[in-house]
Amino acid sequence: NAGVTQTPKFQVLKTGQSMTLQCAQDMNHEYMSWYRQDPGMGLRLIHYSVGAGITDQGEVPNGYNVSRSTTEDFPLRLLSAAPSQTSVYFCASSYPPGQGVSNEQFFGPGTRLTVL
Amino acid sequence: RKEVEQDPGPFNVPEGATVAFNCTYSNSASQSFFWYRQDCRKEPKLLMSVYSSGNEDGRFTAQLNRASQYISLLIRDSKLSDSATYLCAVRSGGYQKVTFGTGTKLQVIP
Repeated sequence: NAGVTQTPKFQVLKTGQSMTLQCAQDMNHEYMSWYRQDPGMGLRLIHYSVGAGITDQGEVPNGYNVSRSTTEDFPLRLLSAAPSQTSVYFCASSYPPGQGVSNEQFFGPGTRLTVL
Repeated sequence: RKEVEQDPGPFNVPEGATVAFNCTYSNSASQSFFWYRQDCRKEPKLLMSVYSSGNEDGRFTAQLNRASQYISLLIRDSKLSDSATYLCAVRSGGYQKVTFGTGTKLQVIP
């Protein structure tokens, strides 16, 4: 299993540009989430999904869109990049709780995004 | 009040010391609790889940106190390789989203 994969690993954008961060998992996890991590702020939840076709907002959703058309993929779209979106972005996936297996989250390696 | 709070540290401890971290959570209906370890410029990885009765994995012990709404992590006989940031995480809410604390940085010194 490849686990959780994210592309690209690094990206530099200009203010106003749009882009999509890709996330895929091959563990058949229903739950997937996007976090951003900034110094001193920890991991903050952007959006999450509990299954194909179902998404919800996290703590810091503004400026980001998501969709979940398949179990495997959960892309994060930046609509119009701003310097405040400079951060490290992590995608994570897990089984839902209550299924008799661990519902720990598995993380991708992250995307380091700089917005100039 | 933040949903999940941790002391950011840093905790600088000598090799062989015992160190403990606490993490408080605000949602009394939270159902699952975790400790993650994150090395510099890497993704978080699960250290251990936290069970109601407390659990131990080698030198690591995790406890849950539902009445006071906190979880704790105890590391005994600290090793240099334990130097990392330790993140607590809490799963709660109707959709069971996971919220992380800001992390506690541990530096074990020779």
